[in-house]
Amino acid sequence: SAVISQKPSRDICQRGTSLTIQCQVDSQVTMMFWYRQQPGQSLTLIATANQGSEATYESGFVIDKFPISRPNLTFSTLTVSNMSPEDSSIYLCSVEYSTEISYNEQFFGPGTRLTVL
Amino acid sequence: EDQVTQSPEALRLQEGESSSLNCSYTVSGLRGLFWYRQDPGKGPEFLFTLYSAGEEKEKERLKATLTKKESFLHITAPKPEDSATYLCAVQSGGYQKVTFGTGTKLQVIP
Repeated sequence: SAVISQKPSRDICQRGTSLTIQCQVDSQVTMMFWYRQQPGQSLTLIATANQGSEATYESGFVIDKFPISRPNLTFSTLTVSNMSPEDSSIYLCSVEYSTEISYNEQFFGPGTRLTVL
Repeated sequence: EDQVTQSPEALRLQEGESSSLNCSYTVSGLRGLFWYRQDPGKGPEFLFTLYSAGEEKEKERLKATLTKKESFLHITAPKPEDSATYLCAVQSGGYQKVTFGTGTKLQVIP
């Protein structure tokens, strides 16, 4: 498995502003993912971020609103732009690992709890 | 489109009272079924991956089983520290996306 850290752990922001969330992994990984978990809901995939290529966004999520960077194999950022109260959520990054006996297992960071006023 | 349905939404057990959580799924070619535990305010913690019908995996008081249409997470003699939301997720063949269910919130009372 991997040790995944996220910064900030939580933030309270004003509407119209932007917040960049950082995700750091303690080992090199090819696949990184960003999820959103709205209050009382399950996880929804925002986008998949591979190093060296543009992020792939899921239906309902666009690059202008959620720009993603993936500068190397251990780090990624997600920006929530022009925030509104509807963006209040927990944002999670995850990485995918494969071993000799398992594959495609995803491990998650601790999450960033965002509140937009 | 892949679909995952978990039941019940919430479950309250007495300490030591064994039970099972259900995860029904619809995928076009199952690549893997995953179980996670999530504590309030934290990210999901990986528990198990199941790859094919008939497969079983165990970890302490938890045992996960898989059929062609559903998976069960059996909890034997639960303790209060097993209280959490348990999430089920599937990944279909040839596609990286993992689809999550809405979870079962388990409360174990001393």
